[in-house]
Amino acid sequence: EDKVVQSPLSLVVHEGDTVTLNCSYEVTNFRSLLWYKQEKKAPTFLFMLTSSGIEKKSGRLSSILDKKELFSILNITATQTGDSAVYLCAVGVNNDMRFGAGTRLTVKP
Amino acid sequence: SQTIHQWPATLVQPVGSPLSLECTVEGTSNPNLYWYRQAAGRGLQLLFYSVGIGQISSEVPQNLSASRPQDRQFILSSKKLLLSDSGFYLCAWSETLGLSGFTFGSGTRLTVV
Repeated sequence: EDKVVQSPLSLVVHEGDTVTLNCSYEVTNFRSLLWYKQEKKAPTFLFMLTSSGIEKKSGRLSSILDKKELFSILNITATQTGDSAVYLCAVGVNNDMRFGAGTRLTVKP
Repeated sequence: SQTIHQWPATLVQPVGSPLSLECTVEGTSNPNLYWYRQAAGRGLQLLFYSVGIGQISSEVPQNLSASRPQDRQFILSSKKLLLSDSGFYLCAWSETLGLSGFTFGSGTRLTVV
Protein backbone atom coordinates (compact mmCIF):
# COMPACT_ATOMS: atom_id res chain seq x y z
CA GLU A 1 0.00 0.00 0.00
CA ASP A 2 1.34 3.42 -0.96
CA LYS A 3 2.11 5.73 1.97
CA VAL A 4 2.91 9.42 2.20
CA VAL A 5 3.64 10.64 5.72
CA GLN A 6 4.12 14.27 6.64
CA SER A 7 5.55 15.62 9.86
CA PRO A 8 4.92 17.48 11.99
CA LEU A 9 1.14 17.53 11.72
CA SER A 10 1.05 21.06 13.05
CA LEU A 11 3.56 23.74 13.82
CA VAL A 12 3.31 27.17 15.46
CA VAL A 13 6.14 29.65 14.96
CA HIS A 14 6.72 33.38 15.14
CA GLU A 15 7.37 35.69 12.24
CA GLY A 16 10.98 35.54 11.13
CA ASP A 17 11.51 31.93 12.17
CA THR A 18 12.71 29.28 9.73
CA VAL A 19 10.69 26.08 9.43
CA THR A 20 11.34 22.68 7.87
CA LEU A 21 8.46 20.46 6.85
CA ASN A 22 9.04 16.79 6.20
CA CYS A 23 7.52 14.30 3.79
CA SER A 24 8.46 10.62 3.63
CA TYR A 25 7.00 8.12 1.24
CA GLU A 26 6.77 4.46 0.38
CA VAL A 27 5.22 3.96 -3.03
CA THR A 28 5.49 1.75 -6.05
CA ASN A 29 6.38 3.33 -9.36
CA PHE A 30 7.43 6.76 -8.07
CA ARG A 31 7.16 9.43 -10.73
CA SER A 32 7.32 12.79 -8.93
CA LEU A 33 6.86 14.54 -5.60
CA LEU A 34 4.92 17.76 -5.32
CA TRP A 35 4.34 20.34 -2.62
CA TYR A 36 1.14 22.34 -2.38
CA LYS A 37 -0.02 25.18 -0.15
CA GLN A 38 -3.65 25.10 0.92
CA GLU A 39 -5.15 28.13 2.58
CA LYS A 40 -8.91 28.27 2.54
CA LYS A 41 -9.87 26.36 -0.54
CA ALA A 42 -8.02 24.65 -3.36
CA PRO A 43 -4.35 23.73 -2.96
CA THR A 44 -1.95 25.82 -4.99
CA PHE A 45 1.15 24.35 -6.57
CA LEU A 46 4.56 25.14 -5.07
CA PHE A 47 7.17 22.70 -6.38
CA MET A 48 7.55 19.53 -8.37
CA LEU A 49 10.62 17.36 -7.73
CA THR A 50 11.70 14.42 -9.80
CA SER A 51 15.46 14.20 -9.28
CA SER A 52 17.43 13.68 -6.09
CA GLY A 53 19.64 16.38 -4.63
CA ILE A 54 18.51 19.26 -6.82
CA GLU A 55 17.12 22.09 -4.74
CA LYS A 56 14.22 24.07 -6.07
CA LYS A 57 13.76 27.61 -4.82
CA SER A 58 11.06 30.21 -5.01
CA GLY A 59 11.66 33.27 -2.87
CA ARG A 60 11.79 32.20 0.75
CA LEU A 61 10.67 28.66 -0.04
CA SER A 62 12.91 25.83 -1.10
CA SER A 63 12.59 22.09 -1.40
CA ILE A 64 14.77 19.08 -2.05
CA LEU A 65 14.17 15.40 -2.73
CA ASP A 66 16.16 12.36 -1.57
CA LYS A 67 15.07 9.36 -3.64
CA LYS A 68 17.44 7.03 -1.82
CA GLU A 69 16.06 7.77 1.63
CA LEU A 70 12.55 8.41 0.23
CA PHE A 71 11.83 11.82 1.65
CA SER A 72 11.57 15.46 0.83
CA ILE A 73 11.76 18.63 2.88
CA LEU A 74 10.18 22.02 2.38
CA ASN A 75 12.00 24.94 3.96
CA ILE A 76 10.52 28.35 4.61
CA THR A 77 12.88 31.07 5.81
CA ALA A 78 11.93 34.37 7.45
CA THR A 79 8.34 33.22 7.85
CA GLN A 80 5.48 35.69 7.54
CA THR A 81 1.89 35.51 8.76
CA GLY A 82 0.87 34.98 5.13
CA ASP A 83 2.70 31.66 5.18
CA SER A 84 0.07 30.28 7.55
CA ALA A 85 -1.58 27.41 5.69
CA VAL A 86 -1.69 23.65 5.36
CA TYR A 87 1.22 22.35 3.31
CA LEU A 88 0.51 19.17 1.38
CA CYS A 89 3.00 16.71 0.01
CA ALA A 90 1.87 14.52 -2.87
CA VAL A 91 3.63 11.70 -4.68
CA GLY A 92 2.81 10.89 -8.27
CA VAL A 93 2.37 7.16 -8.80
CA ASN A 94 0.94 5.39 -11.83
CA ASN A 95 -2.29 7.15 -12.69
CA ASP A 96 -2.68 9.58 -9.84
CA MET A 97 -1.15 11.24 -6.82
CA ARG A 98 -1.08 10.10 -3.20
CA PHE A 99 -1.37 12.88 -0.67
CA GLY A 100 -0.05 13.15 2.86
CA ALA A 101 -2.30 14.44 5.63
CA GLY A 102 -0.58 17.82 5.53
CA THR A 103 1.28 20.04 7.97
CA ARG A 104 -0.70 22.94 9.41
CA LEU A 105 1.67 25.88 9.83
CA THR A 106 0.64 28.85 11.94
CA VAL A 107 2.87 31.91 11.91
CA LYS A 108 2.20 34.35 14.75
CA PRO A 109 3.08 38.04 14.51
CA SER B 1 -4.73 29.14 -20.74
CA GLN B 2 -6.37 26.26 -18.95
CA THR B 3 -9.01 26.84 -16.31
CA ILE B 4 -11.04 24.51 -14.14
CA HIS B 5 -14.48 25.32 -12.79
CA GLN B 6 -16.20 23.50 -9.99
CA TRP B 7 -19.61 24.16 -8.50
CA PRO B 8 -21.39 24.69 -6.25
CA ALA B 9 -18.98 26.14 -3.70
CA THR B 10 -21.05 25.07 -0.71
CA LEU B 11 -23.93 22.67 -0.34
CA VAL B 12 -26.07 21.56 2.58
CA GLN B 13 -28.10 18.47 1.86
CA PRO B 14 -30.29 16.20 4.02
CA VAL B 15 -29.40 12.55 4.54
CA GLY B 16 -30.88 10.39 1.80
CA SER B 17 -31.00 13.17 -0.80
CA PRO B 18 -29.19 12.93 -4.15
CA LEU B 19 -25.97 14.73 -5.03
CA SER B 20 -24.50 16.13 -8.20
CA LEU B 21 -21.24 18.09 -8.26
CA GLU B 22 -19.93 19.30 -11.57
CA CYS B 23 -16.45 20.09 -12.81
CA THR B 24 -15.43 21.42 -16.21
CA VAL B 25 -12.03 22.18 -17.70
CA GLU B 26 -11.34 24.69 -20.44
CA GLY B 27 -8.34 25.25 -22.63
CA THR B 28 -7.11 21.68 -22.93
CA SER B 29 -8.10 18.45 -24.63
CA ASN B 30 -8.33 14.95 -23.20
CA PRO B 31 -7.33 15.95 -19.67
CA ASN B 32 -7.01 13.42 -16.88
CA LEU B 33 -9.70 14.29 -14.37
CA TYR B 34 -9.90 13.49 -10.67
CA TRP B 35 -12.27 13.76 -7.72
CA TYR B 36 -10.72 14.02 -4.27
CA ARG B 37 -12.31 14.30 -0.85
CA GLN B 38 -10.71 15.99 2.11
CA ALA B 39 -12.21 15.19 5.50
CA ALA B 40 -11.46 17.49 8.43
CA GLY B 41 -7.85 17.03 9.59
CA ARG B 42 -7.04 14.46 6.95
CA GLY B 43 -5.26 14.41 3.64
CA LEU B 44 -6.78 14.29 0.22
CA GLN B 45 -8.32 10.94 -0.62
CA LEU B 46 -8.67 10.00 -4.26
CA LEU B 47 -12.22 8.94 -5.08
CA PHE B 48 -12.28 8.63 -8.88
CA TYR B 49 -10.13 9.39 -11.84
CA SER B 50 -10.81 9.38 -15.55
CA VAL B 51 -8.46 9.23 -18.51
CA GLY B 52 -11.17 9.71 -21.14
CA ILE B 53 -14.89 9.94 -21.93
CA GLY B 54 -16.80 7.17 -20.22
CA GLN B 55 -13.65 5.82 -18.54
CA ILE B 56 -13.94 5.93 -14.77
CA SER B 57 -11.71 4.26 -12.19
CA SER B 58 -12.76 4.08 -8.57
CA GLU B 59 -10.26 3.99 -5.75
CA VAL B 60 -12.47 3.32 -2.75
CA PRO B 61 -15.81 1.60 -2.29
CA GLN B 62 -18.52 4.07 -1.39
CA ASN B 63 -21.99 5.23 -2.27
CA LEU B 64 -20.64 7.84 -4.66
CA SER B 65 -20.27 7.50 -8.41
CA ALA B 66 -18.64 9.53 -11.15
CA SER B 67 -19.34 10.07 -14.80
CA ARG B 68 -17.58 11.75 -17.70
CA PRO B 69 -20.19 12.49 -20.34
CA GLN B 70 -17.94 14.88 -22.26
CA ASP B 71 -14.19 15.25 -22.66
CA ARG B 72 -13.90 18.18 -20.27
CA GLN B 73 -16.77 17.44 -17.88
CA PHE B 74 -16.57 15.32 -14.76
CA ILE B 75 -19.54 14.76 -12.46
CA LEU B 76 -19.65 13.34 -8.95
CA SER B 77 -23.00 11.89 -7.90
CA SER B 78 -24.82 10.03 -5.22
CA LYS B 79 -28.32 8.61 -5.16
CA LYS B 80 -28.63 8.82 -1.35
CA LEU B 81 -26.23 10.85 0.76
CA LEU B 82 -24.93 9.63 4.10
CA LEU B 83 -23.73 11.74 7.01
CA SER B 84 -20.23 10.40 6.39
CA ASP B 85 -20.26 11.96 2.91
CA SER B 86 -19.72 15.39 4.45
CA GLY B 87 -16.40 16.91 3.51
CA PHE B 88 -14.54 19.12 1.10
CA TYR B 89 -14.57 17.82 -2.47
CA LEU B 90 -11.96 18.85 -4.97
CA CYS B 91 -11.89 18.30 -8.69
CA ALA B 92 -8.51 18.37 -10.40
CA TRP B 93 -7.00 17.88 -13.82
CA SER B 94 -3.58 16.99 -15.12
CA GLU B 95 -1.93 16.44 -18.47
CA THR B 96 0.45 13.62 -17.71
CA LEU B 97 -0.57 10.73 -15.49
CA GLY B 98 1.22 10.90 -12.18
CA LEU B 99 4.05 13.10 -13.40
CA SER B 100 2.93 16.67 -13.84
CA GLY B 101 1.23 18.68 -11.16
CA PHE B 102 -2.46 18.82 -10.65
CA THR B 103 -4.53 21.94 -11.01
CA PHE B 104 -7.40 21.98 -8.57
CA GLY B 105 -10.85 23.46 -8.77
CA SER B 106 -11.99 25.76 -6.01
CA GLY B 107 -13.70 22.96 -4.11
CA THR B 108 -17.17 22.19 -2.81
CA ARG B 109 -17.89 22.05 0.90
CA LEU B 110 -20.65 19.51 1.38
CA THR B 111 -22.49 19.23 4.67
CA VAL B 112 -24.95 16.39 5.03
CA VAL B 113 -27.45 17.01 7.81
